Amino acid sequence: EAGVAQSPRYKIIEKRQSVAFWCNPISGHATLYWYQQILGQGPKLLIQFQNNGVVDDSQLPKDRFSAERLKGVDSTLKIQPAKLEDSAVYLCASSRSGLAGHEQFFGPGTRLTVL
Amino acid sequence: TQLLEQSPQFLSIQEGENLTVYCNSSSVFSSLQWYRQEPGEGPVLLVTVVTGGEVKKLKRLTFQFGDARKDSSLHITAAQPGDTGLYLCAGDKKPNDYKLSFGAGTTVTVRA
Repeated sequence: EAGVAQSPRYKIIEKRQSVAFWCNPISGHATLYWYQQILGQGPKLLIQFQNNGVVDDSQLPKDRFSAERLKGVDSTLKIQPAKLEDSAVYLCASSRSGLAGHEQFFGPGTRLTVL
Repeated sequence: TQLLEQSPQFLSIQEGENLTVYCNSSSVFSSLQWYRQEPGEGPVLLVTVVTGGEVKKLKRLTFQFGDARKDSSLHITAAQPGDTGLYLCAGDKKPNDYKLSFGAGTTVTVRA
């Protein structure tokens, strides 16, 4: 079974520029998560999708971050415009459902550096 | 402020030694998970504990969930260089609304 795929693996941009990350979850997984992991911290949930609907985006900075999951499969996370404090690893995870007992499988992440 | 506090932040030991890392909170969790994350990779689930006082063993790793379901520990016996990594605990407060809150992690280095 293929794992969660993310691209790009690394991205360097200047502040105020835009950037987009892509995630392809494990086939058949209804729930998709985007996490932000700042150096020295644990992952922080940004947004959770159930199929193509948003379940929780309470910690997503909506003035600059947006995410979509069209057709309930792949997802993109966009930052526009980027700030220095957005430098982090952005992790995508998927699970069969959003219920307890269904393991979240993480992708390798995209490391973003904002200069 | 992290909901889950992990200690120590860093741990460096010699191969063959034992180690324990801790995960503490003032909140009660429905379940608690331990992950290991290696550089350039996402976290990988090691274990889930759901019952207060529960002890789970995975080869040389022993996981314990506190009686009050507010804390947990991970003990590694006879550590090997392959155990090197960032160990993260994550808690889920609601059984029907599965959202994880992660601790900041403990970076473990096992020297050969």
